Amino acid sequence: GAVVSQHPSRVICKSGTSVKIECRSLDFQATTMFWYRQFPKQSLMLMATSNEGSKATYEQGVEKDKFLINHASLTLSTLTVTSAHPEDSSFYICSARGGDTSRGYTFGSGTRLTVV
Amino acid sequence: LAKTTQPISMDSYEGQEVNITCSHNNIATNDYITWYQQFPSQGPRFIIQGYKTKVTNEVASLFIPADRKSSTLSLPRVSLSDTAVYYCLVGDPSGNTPLVFGKGTRLSVIA
Repeated sequence: GAVVSQHPSRVICKSGTSVKIECRSLDFQATTMFWYRQFPKQSLMLMATSNEGSKATYEQGVEKDKFLINHASLTLSTLTVTSAHPEDSSFYICSARGGDTSRGYTFGSGTRLTVV
Repeated sequence: LAKTTQPISMDSYEGQEVNITCSHNNIATNDYITWYQQFPSQGPRFIIQGYKTKVTNEVASLFIPADRKSSTLSLPRVSLSDTAVYYCLVGDPSGNTPLVFGKGTRLSVIA
């Protein structure tokens, strides 16, 4: 089945630094990927839609200059949290749809970001 | 996208069958119903998807009445490892629109 690989699984960074999270579709091409953020005990919140070869579409309230998304190839999307602050600490998850629409969307394993 | 409503939490003993019902009164003609499972610190995992009547796979069954305004995920003989959050979502699988998650149902399986 479709596999989405997400790295790193966890990262700790200092306040003010930037962190890049990678999301790769391993056995299919993903022209569109989605980025979510999840705070403890809460549901997933859609942050942005990443489109290969074009600009990402951000949800209302998500700062596009802070959360930079690059989708330069059909198998790789990256999310860079710039000038991270403690309030950016969260669980970030990417997803994409594989070729089989009967199997729903495939999600990465998530990245636990802690900003200290 | 159709909004869904699920119970916030459920408890069950090991070995019992668990049924989680989801309401989606505004489901559209082209929408399918999909359920995901999420363990702590992991991404959601696809469980089952259906359009109408009954769908069964190796891990669960999905019951959808004729009016499609609700659906029930059935987990047979749950074990401790089934403790997770279960999300019900509706949408058109032929498109590429993002999934919008509701609060989900937190299932706790007790020994």
